[in-house]
Amino acid sequence: KAGVTQTPRYLIKTRGQQVTLSCSPISGHRSVSWYQQTPGQGLQFLFEYFSETQRNKGNFPGRFSGRQFSNSRSEMNVSTLELGDSALYLCASSFGPGQGNTGELFFGEGSRLTVL
Amino acid sequence: GNSVTQMEGPVTLSEEAFLTINCTYTATGYPSLFWYVQYPGEGLQLLLKATKADDKGSNKGFEATYRKETTSFHLEKGSVQVSDSAVYFCALDNQAGTALIFGKGTTLSVSS
Repeated sequence: KAGVTQTPRYLIKTRGQQVTLSCSPISGHRSVSWYQQTPGQGLQFLFEYFSETQRNKGNFPGRFSGRQFSNSRSEMNVSTLELGDSALYLCASSFGPGQGNTGELFFGEGSRLTVL
Repeated sequence: GNSVTQMEGPVTLSEEAFLTINCTYTATGYPSLFWYVQYPGEGLQLLLKATKADDKGSNKGFEATYRKETTSFHLEKGSVQVSDSAVYFCALDNQAGTALIFGKGTTLSVSS
């Protein structure tokens, strides 16, 4: 079956702009999590959505937001971009809590954002 | 709060050498523990997991044992291959949902 699909794969923005990243989970998965990966901080949890509701949120400023649609697809948005937002943004999907969840997350290849 | 600490890399080994990557954790309760691997240019994929104390996860020759008394989940492989070159992440579940908390990752480089 198709894996987790993230678009776009690469993008370049300038400071102050905003960006929207998209994630399509594996068919049947209803939970989507987002992570920011940087060389200095490693993988940091941004937020998790299940059935269109945000269940958990990491320690990121309000400029980072997300949403999930009824078909489980998710988007994340970063407004007023800063240089430090340059990172690989990874999306992961799973069945969700109590849904035969084994704890395994299935990751996409990521969206690499460069802020100039 | 919950956290994961991994040994700093990079780890550089010759083919067929023995590998250990240390991982310790801090958590309340009884989290599940995971090792994920990220090959160059790819997303993360699950390597192995353990859900309770003394469980041993294994896959592709890699093993890790959930040690509650030492709060550790060290990754081992008896004979590494060049194809094992990747970044390895130790992780635990936060028990509040399906989000995982990751260590910073250890880069493994294996030369022939």
